[in-house]
Amino acid sequence: GAVVSQHPSRVICKSGTSVKIECRSLDFQATTMFWYRQFPKQSLMLMATSNEGSKATYEQGVEKDKFLINHASLTLSTLTVTSAHPEDSSFYICSASPPPRTQYFGPGTRLTVL
Amino acid sequence: AQKVTQAQTEISVVEKEDVTLDCVYETRDTTYYLFWYKQPPSGELVFLIRRNSFDEQNEISGRYSWNFQKSTSSFNFTITASQVVDSAVYFCALSEELSGGGADGLTFGKGTHLIIQP
Repeated sequence: GAVVSQHPSRVICKSGTSVKIECRSLDFQATTMFWYRQFPKQSLMLMATSNEGSKATYEQGVEKDKFLINHASLTLSTLTVTSAHPEDSSFYICSASPPPRTQYFGPGTRLTVL
Repeated sequence: AQKVTQAQTEISVVEKEDVTLDCVYETRDTTYYLFWYKQPPSGELVFLIRRNSFDEQNEISGRYSWNFQKSTSSFNFTITASQVVDSAVYFCALSEELSGGGADGLTFGKGTHLIIQP
């Protein structure tokens, strides 16, 4: 299957700082990537759809000013958690979808905000 | 609105038993895609299968098989002769076709934690 990477795999930061997470499609181009969040022992929830060359589409209840998404190229999308707080601590996972429609997921980034 | 229900929160069986994970979905679209993913303790999601709404053929891959029934909106997953390495959380997911033909984000069920005891 297709390969999606994420960096960093784990990050611990102080409250109030910003954290950037990168998602790359390694062996295919992705005009669309997706960002999900997973709290402990819960399911994955779609946060936003990242579109190359245009603005991201956010799901209801997700603050676009807090979770900045940039999709500058066909292989890279970034998620920046701005002014992070402890309640933002979670497992963030990106996915990308080469034809035909299967979404392949990155290994995830575990964010801990102290 | 779309919805995926995995009613079984946790299943525990002894190795070599067969086990079926249930998935029921809701959607108003006629074109949609169903998925199963495995999430081991490491956290990475492993793709298992994709099925589109027009293909009701059941599929078998080794010890894994899937039963897609549009009449009951179900997409169940069976593991035959289970092994300890099958222990993981399994998610069923659904995506709909966008009006422009592009891919849509996935709606996940809550997941079923499968425990295979030696």
